[in-house]
Amino acid sequence: GDQVEQSPSALSLHEGTGSALRCNFTTTMRAVQWFRKNSRGSLINLFYLASGTKENGRLKSAFDSKERYSTLHIRDAQLEDSGTYFCAAEGGSSGNKLIFGIGTLLSVKP
Amino acid sequence: AQTIHQWPVAEIKAVGSPLSLGCTIKGKSSPNLYWYWQATGGTLQQLFYSITVGQVESVVQLNLSASRPKDDQFILSTEKLLLSHSGFYLCAWSRGLGANTGQLYFGEGSKLTVL
Repeated sequence: GDQVEQSPSALSLHEGTGSALRCNFTTTMRAVQWFRKNSRGSLINLFYLASGTKENGRLKSAFDSKERYSTLHIRDAQLEDSGTYFCAAEGGSSGNKLIFGIGTLLSVKP
Repeated sequence: AQTIHQWPVAEIKAVGSPLSLGCTIKGKSSPNLYWYWQATGGTLQQLFYSITVGQVESVVQLNLSASRPKDDQFILSTEKLLLSHSGFYLCAWSRGLGANTGQLYFGEGSKLTVL
């Protein structure tokens, strides 16, 4: 079936630095969403993209349907950014069912 | 502003007992509604979705059923729980954008432990 390959599975950053999370898709997807898990275990929606890029504060996301990937860039990381981030995509044979990545555990250290 | 409320927050149930989880969305008419489930250590899976009252589509068969008795309410239930039903259940809504799901907003979840 359609796959969403999220990497890295874990990432450690020092405060003030930045990095990118990536999701590769095994097929052409119509849209991607990025989420962050909250303390209760629920998911907070960070971005929804059908194409192009979006930016919100220190976060920026890009989606390239043709090249089959999406990224989430974090700049100037803060301690409170620590947590688990997920991408989810829809399209291909999955129809409008979202397929989630396995998540990236981000740890921001002083 | 739209709010989504799930109940109960947590349940411990015996194998073979019935279950009912609820979800209510306020501030949005005719939302698309979804049930998701995550087993411990597993990935999030979509179970059901509904685009209108009385209409529910099953995505994954887990011996569960869902109903949408009102525009703002989505219920997940079973008459007989299995050990494999344990996990974290999330209700979500979206506006829906044609064929696309649209931006998805989750409730706070219900943790189910089946013993």
